[in-house]
Amino acid sequence: DGGITQSPKYLFRKEGQNVTLSCEQNLNHDAMYWYRQDPGQGLRLIYYSHIVNDFQKGDIAEGYSVSREKKESFPLTVTSAQKNPTAFYLCASSPGTATYEQYFGPGTRLTVT
Amino acid sequence: GQQVMQIPQYQHVQEGEDFTTYCNSSTTLSNIQWYKQRPGGHPVFLIQLVKSGEVKKQKRLTFQFGEAKKNSSLHITATQTTDVGTYFCAGPRSNTGKLIFGQGTTLQVKP
Repeated sequence: DGGITQSPKYLFRKEGQNVTLSCEQNLNHDAMYWYRQDPGQGLRLIYYSHIVNDFQKGDIAEGYSVSREKKESFPLTVTSAQKNPTAFYLCASSPGTATYEQYFGPGTRLTVT
Repeated sequence: GQQVMQIPQYQHVQEGEDFTTYCNSSTTLSNIQWYKQRPGGHPVFLIQLVKSGEVKKQKRLTFQFGEAKKNSSLHITATQTTDVGTYFCAGPRSNTGKLIFGQGTTLQVKP
């Protein structure tokens, strides 16, 4: 069954801790993306990667880091430097760049207290 | 910078009424994509429009791409409770390979 998986669905952390969100896809897609969704603000791009071992900052990369060591995996680390980390995080993949549709994972809802 | 705006932000309709959301870009787009996100869910791709003036239909949903390729609309005929959710439009950000998403229109349908 092909698709994108994100884990966990809900995550709770204390302020000051780094946390890594998992994103895996078995669609053989080259491009992968991380978005942050806050109420009423749509989707904001954090980081993206169009090929293994390469990634680029999106619009709100500060306080986040990523890696793309394998085509299937694109983990996102929310560091303690991120001022407002509580949000819904969505991972997506696509066969290519912006002319292709994106397939989203189920998301991880992160709460930091 | 390049922006994609959607209106309205929220819409409440009675079941059976029609619904339209509008998407406007500050720049010409090579294509426009539409996504639907159910409450508590994730965005799901609905359709992509590429040609100027293009109109596509999916059952009760009609999608239109403007002649100038700077605006688009999604029209739902005779809404049903299953249409509830947030509808996003998205277009490519110039020369970057990234999509820029509108803020979405959230549709509520009263049975």
